Amino acid sequence: AQSVSQHNHHVILSEAASLELGCNYSYGGTVNLFWYVQYPGQHLQLLLKYFSGDPLVKGIKGFEAEFIKSKFSFNLRKPSVQWSDTAEYFCAAYNQGGKLIFGQGTELSVKP
Amino acid sequence: GAVVSQHPSWVICKSGTSVKIECRSLDFQATTMFWYRQFPKQSLMLMATSNEGSKATYEQGVEKDKFLINHASLTLSTLTVTSAHPEDSSFYICSARDQSGVGYYEQYFGPGTRLTVT
Repeated sequence: AQSVSQHNHHVILSEAASLELGCNYSYGGTVNLFWYVQYPGQHLQLLLKYFSGDPLVKGIKGFEAEFIKSKFSFNLRKPSVQWSDTAEYFCAAYNQGGKLIFGQGTELSVKP
Repeated sequence: GAVVSQHPSWVICKSGTSVKIECRSLDFQATTMFWYRQFPKQSLMLMATSNEGSKATYEQGVEKDKFLINHASLTLSTLTVTSAHPEDSSFYICSARDQSGVGYYEQYFGPGTRLTVT
């Protein structure tokens, strides 16, 4: 079955540290990939998306992600995190049925 | 950006009663809406796809007679949890797909509804 997996369950960083959250998807062919963020008590917001073209995608709030087809990966990065980045991060992809499926989520805690 | 609202934001009900949750797309029309369920510290699990004017399609393992979905208009979908039990307690999130663009259809998420069944 098509799936999205995130390897990091909980990441704890200090402010100004660099961030990389892993995401892998299980299927080949055309992929549409997303990263969403869920701040405490708030709804899901789209950080960035990849459909085609440049594999390095820049999103909002200084986040970026790189699509590496050979590794089936779409890792999220940020060079310097802030306390306000504390949130739950979800990687997602459209499956072949056109439905958005999510990874397990990664909780990011940034210490001031 | 587009806004999706849910009502109520939280609800407490007694075991055996039914609860209706509304999902509205406020500034766009959505022929397709989705209902997800999220357990604490876990991911969003797709429950069903709600299609305006037709029956919803349910994911494997989701009881369609327990989770009734009605998508009566292009801006409203409802999820009714029938004969609720404590194990139905969860966070329910709806999402609406904006199909007004060309090619890519973005999904927008509601703020969620916290259901507690006592």
